[in-house]
Amino acid sequence: KNQVEQSPQSLIILEGKNCTLQCNYTVSPFSNLRWYKQDTGRGPVSLTIMTFSENTKSNGRYTATLDADTKQSSLHITASQLSDSASYICVVSAGSGGYQKVTFGTGTKLQVIP
Amino acid sequence: GAGVSQSPSNKVTEKGKDVELRCDPISGHTALYWYRQSLGQGLEFLIYFQGNSAPDKSGLPSDRFSAERTGGSVSTLTIQRTQQEDSAVYLCASSLGGLQTGELFFGEGSRLTVL
Repeated sequence: KNQVEQSPQSLIILEGKNCTLQCNYTVSPFSNLRWYKQDTGRGPVSLTIMTFSENTKSNGRYTATLDADTKQSSLHITASQLSDSASYICVVSAGSGGYQKVTFGTGTKLQVIP
Repeated sequence: GAGVSQSPSNKVTEKGKDVELRCDPISGHTALYWYRQSLGQGLEFLIYFQGNSAPDKSGLPSDRFSAERTGGSVSTLTIQRTQQEDSAVYLCASSLGGLQTGELFFGEGSRLTVL
């Protein structure tokens, strides 16, 4: 069964500090992994996508890593801002060709405080 | 349209009533997904439409739930004889089809409250 587990479940950090969110998955055959940011009351929005051959990808202050051997990904947020407060969801796609099965993690709720 | 549009944004209904939630995906997106998100919980997959293929209904929680997608565009999620545990935000997403590189674009959701 495809599963995506995220940790920690929730996190509180001071504004300006860095943090790292973790994602472990058991998905086969792996296609790609995305990190989404979901603000309260809004739909999720994609931050990064990583395919099998990619180890690191950055999007501004967000840096995602992928270790396909250990089936782990991390999302590192640098110099956090109050607007980073949101849920961060790891989403892994499995399959090939035209059909992809998407599995969502339960998310990490991040709160950045002044 | 510019983004995924969902309606209504909020729906309050009485237990036992039927409800319909609508999703208008981004023009040209062949894949459409419905998810459910209960308060403080992760996204729960409900159903997936891809082009003219038979939909993946594996996530529908009971036979009270059904969805259709007419003309490969607009989709309607119908919940019959609603129960209080159906209360959640129902999110619709669309993508270009196949997720090799395609991103899921989400609507703002329909918040359903069953009294």
